[in-house]
Amino acid sequence: TQLLEQSPQFLSIQEGENLTVYCNSSSVFSSLQWYRQEPGEGPVLLVTVVTGGEVKKLKRLTFQFGDARKDSSLHITAAQPGDTGLYLCAGVRRYGGATNKLIFGTGTLLAVQP
Amino acid sequence: DSGVTQTPKHLITATGQRVTLRCSPRSGDLSVYWYQQSLDQGLQFLIQYYNGEERAKGNILERFSAQQFPDLHSELNLSSLELGDSALYFCASSPRGGLAGYTDTQYFGPGTRLTVL
Repeated sequence: TQLLEQSPQFLSIQEGENLTVYCNSSSVFSSLQWYRQEPGEGPVLLVTVVTGGEVKKLKRLTFQFGDARKDSSLHITAAQPGDTGLYLCAGVRRYGGATNKLIFGTGTLLAVQP
Repeated sequence: DSGVTQTPKHLITATGQRVTLRCSPRSGDLSVYWYQQSLDQGLQFLIQYYNGEERAKGNILERFSAQQFPDLHSELNLSSLELGDSALYFCASSPRGGLAGYTDTQYFGPGTRLTVL
């Protein structure tokens, strides 16, 4: 069962365009993370958002956590070819009081054409 | 380079066989996680170890098992392989494994691509 749905699944844009990726769930998470994965590599953590309504900026990337802590968005301004990759959101859920489990979203494959 | 190493990088085997994937965590990290990534299921958590002990289980099949050794490296054993087990298998490590509510950053290795023919 996939608890986190991302949209769109695929996105191909020109360099310089803006885009938004959405991550939606019916479940509440203690926090939410965004990762980027490039071909042949493992996912790399971009950001963790913890508080409902929180907004974090990482250069041209803006991340927002929904007020109810069920959804999140990633906005990229003036996309560059180096932004190309698979973007994954991951909900963090407490497990047995001793650790956290990551529940990954379905992924958004972004291609930025020069 | 995340500092997490996985071997082998590629593995091709036949149905019914057994394979072992190996992971060395970042220096100083006590926790190891195993994930499976496939086109239809996405990235799924399998199992976590912390300092040699199993800490959390996810969608791990009974045919699969793992362990973490005293030197903190980990192995994922996959047996009675089926075509559907073909996937990328990632290992990740973190310093504390989520103790006391702290959300550790997980550092992912480059993965092992398993192909079952």
